[in-house]
Amino acid sequence: NAGVTQTPKFRILKIGQSMTLQCTQDMNHNYMYWYRQDPGMGLKLIYYSVGAGITDKGEVPNGYNVSRSTTEDFPLRLELAAPSQTSVYFCASSYPPGQAYEQYFGPGTRLTVT
Amino acid sequence: AQTVTQSQPEMSVQEAETVTLSCTYDTSESNYYLFWYKQPPSRQMILVIRQEAYKQQNATENRFSVNFQKAAKSFSLKISDSQLGDTAMYFCAFCNNNDMRFGAGTRLTVKP
Repeated sequence: NAGVTQTPKFRILKIGQSMTLQCTQDMNHNYMYWYRQDPGMGLKLIYYSVGAGITDKGEVPNGYNVSRSTTEDFPLRLELAAPSQTSVYFCASSYPPGQAYEQYFGPGTRLTVT
Repeated sequence: AQTVTQSQPEMSVQEAETVTLSCTYDTSESNYYLFWYKQPPSRQMILVIRQEAYKQQNATENRFSVNFQKAAKSFSLKISDSQLGDTAMYFCAFCNNNDMRFGAGTRLTVKP
């Protein structure tokens, strides 16, 4: 099993550009999550999904969109990138009921918006 | 909203000694889960230990144990026989209804 994979590993965006961060897991987990980690800080939840077709907002959803068309994939879309979105983005997945179990994290995507 | 506070930005410990990392949280919920995650320089997030709030017994995983004080909303992590590989950022996290909140982290350095 590859676990949770994220692409790309690094990306530089110009202000106003858009991009999609890809996340795929091969563990058949129902629950998936997107976090951002700003320098010197802990992770903050952006969006999560409890299954295909179901998504919900986390603590910091503004400026982002997600979709979950399959169990395996949970892409994160940034529209009109802003410098405040410079961060490291982590995708994670877990077994149901999600909150009680270990979240398996991807290696992260470092995004810089200039 | 739930908040998690880690009051020690940095700590150091000699190899083979014991260190305790502090964590407090604020919530009005009675059923929730608490976690300690380790983030080494590789940036990978690794679960260290987990505690269910409804369990009074403190969780233990080999050299790692917690002191869970529900009334005080405190969840400290004790690392015994510290090893060089324990050097990392440690994050305390609170989870209720899929809403996971992390503290700002404690940077632990284990010195030889």
